[in-house]
Amino acid sequence: DADVTQTPRNRITKTGKRIMLECSQTKGHDRMYWYRQDPGLGLRLIYYSFDVKDINKGEISDGYSVSRQAQAKFSLSLESAIPNQTALYFCATSDALAGVYNEQFFGPGTRLTVL
Amino acid sequence: GQNIDQPTEMTATEGAIVQINCTYQTSGFNGLFWYQQHAGEAPTFLSYNVLDGLEEKGRFSSFLSRSKGYSYLLLKELQMKDSASYLCAVRTGGFKTIFGAGTRLFVKA
Repeated sequence: DADVTQTPRNRITKTGKRIMLECSQTKGHDRMYWYRQDPGLGLRLIYYSFDVKDINKGEISDGYSVSRQAQAKFSLSLESAIPNQTALYFCATSDALAGVYNEQFFGPGTRLTVL
Repeated sequence: GQNIDQPTEMTATEGAIVQINCTYQTSGFNGLFWYQQHAGEAPTFLSYNVLDGLEEKGRFSSFLSRSKGYSYLLLKELQMKDSASYLCAVRTGGFKTIFGAGTRLFVKA
């Protein structure tokens, strides 16, 4: 089973709709992140959480909100979707304590299209 | 501002060596990562440098010069499966990670 899962994997929605993207992890990591990826722009950080009670805005948080329901779950909401939020969204996790690298582990991505 | 620059695309031949460069300007530095991302898939971790010098891991090596704000990823004995995007990323003073736009590598036979 995958360590970091995202649902849905693909979603097409209309302008003005509320959308929730969900992320779950079985790695036991404290830190979780939401990124969006657009062609030519790379990965941009939307929100991050270093533990259940800690939520922080990233580079591009406007129009998004998050909820850290448990250590293993971190959801991203678009309250009123707009077409320029069409992108590939990735959830990632990292371990605050173990090892030297603390590299991030990414979920498979959610491709969101807003019409 | 914070900026990470890397070439948009590179092409190399199977069996050859390719070097992908990355330059960065960030507020603080706590390490530099390279990730590999195949089309339509998630990025996966390749290497990490926090001190100056070369880190070698099989066919992949990564170099860092903190004074120059410069890193490179060296891929040896290229294989067709190495065709992918390579993302340079810097963990900043606030322990957030900033990603470059990625370099798309095409390996031809």
